[in-house]
Amino acid sequence: AQSVAQPEDQVNVAEGNPLTVKCTYSVSGNPYLFWYVQYPNRGLQFLLKYITGDNLVKGSYGFEAEFNKSQTSFHLKKPSALVSDSALYFCAVRDMSYQLTFGKGTKLSVIP
Amino acid sequence: DARVTQTPRHKVTEMGQEVTMRCQPILGHNTVFWYRQTMMQGLELLAYFRNRAPLDDSGMPKDRFSAEMPDATLATLKIQPSEPRDSAVYFCASGPSGSYTGELFFGEGSRLTVL
Repeated sequence: AQSVAQPEDQVNVAEGNPLTVKCTYSVSGNPYLFWYVQYPNRGLQFLLKYITGDNLVKGSYGFEAEFNKSQTSFHLKKPSALVSDSALYFCAVRDMSYQLTFGKGTKLSVIP
Repeated sequence: DARVTQTPRHKVTEMGQEVTMRCQPILGHNTVFWYRQTMMQGLELLAYFRNRAPLDDSGMPKDRFSAEMPDATLATLKIQPSEPRDSAVYFCASGPSGSYTGELFFGEGSRLTVL
């Protein structure tokens, strides 16, 4: 069975500093990996995905993610955090039946 | 601007009552998912449809939950009878047809409180 782990419940970062939200995965076969963001009282929004190709994937709002097959990781990154980036971030993996399995989520707080 | 529409946004009901949540997927999407979000369990997949056919509802308590797609523009999730432990936010999500790589579009959710 596939799974996703987000080891940090919360990440705090100062505005303007780089941010990283960690994710590791377990899946048989080639991984299809995703990051979603959820703002308060809203649904999840797609940020980016890795299907194949370049290990560095660029997405919405200046976010990017680095796929590392040997470490089975897919960490979300941004060079300079904004206060408006404060939200709940979910990593997800897709299986052969197209179902997405989500991690528990990481709350990102960007401090002014 | 295409979006997934869910109704109601908020529902407060008493234990034992029937609850029906509705979802209008994005036009042309042929995969529909129901997820439940709670603080304790996070996001749980309840049911999954492709081309209106249920493919997986193993995450759903069968004795009280049911999910259907009467047509391509409507998905429903019904709880009968409802219990306090069903209190959660229920999300519907739809995905594009064709070469499907897993990106889902979520609705704003239906927040259910069962007293």
